[in-house]
Amino acid sequence: DIVMTQSPDSLAVSLGERATINCKSSQTILYSSNNRNYLAWYQQKSGQPPKLLIYWASTRESGVPDRFTGSGSGTDFTLTISSLQAEDVAVYYCQQYYYTPYTFGQGTKLAIK
Amino acid sequence: EVQLVESGGGLVQPGGSLRLSCAASGFTFSIYAMSWVRQTPGKGLEWVSTVSGGGDDTYYADSVKGRFTISRDSSENTLSLQINNLRAEDTALYFCARNKESSGWKCFDYWGQGTLVTVSP
Repeated sequence: DIVMTQSPDSLAVSLGERATINCKSSQTILYSSNNRNYLAWYQQKSGQPPKLLIYWASTRESGVPDRFTGSGSGTDFTLTISSLQAEDVAVYYCQQYYYTPYTFGQGTKLAIK
Repeated sequence: EVQLVESGGGLVQPGGSLRLSCAASGFTFSIYAMSWVRQTPGKGLEWVSTVSGGGDDTYYADSVKGRFTISRDSSENTLSLQINNLRAEDTALYFCARNKESSGWKCFDYWGQGTLVTVSP
């Protein structure tokens, strides 16, 4: 199975500042034949189901604010929130969908400093 | 508006069975692959199973293979998960999720609110 490891486990950032969450896969999730990284990012607010933010590592889901940016390739990926808003307080998860079993990172809890 | 509403969770003894259901609306159900994903405080999010749009192809996590069966009824727009021989480690919030077409049907663009399964003597 592909193990997804996020860092840090928790993060506190001031409003308006940048937040950066990292995700590392135990093997490459870049499919060479189409040059796509099989990685998604989700946001889960308290008491709610996860919400898809990013797929193909850097494609923003419809309706997601452009302050959310996904980057990286191969085994190392980053979710950046350029200017933290109060409504961004949540747990963020990465997920690989390169092959089954699809696996998630352990989550990064983002709070306001 | 896409809606996914799960039901069927509850308290069950080890070795028991449950059937989870997910009522889907707001989209052409028969086109989309659908999945179950569960969440526990200890293990986080865990993909459980996926069924193709036509229902012919199914995929399972090793931890549930042989005990869980995913199915769909496109005439009723319903996704189901039959769970047998339940174990304590199956205790979780079970989400129904729609697979995103433009991700190759492999990540999840809509989720239900979840139904809680508790396995305890």
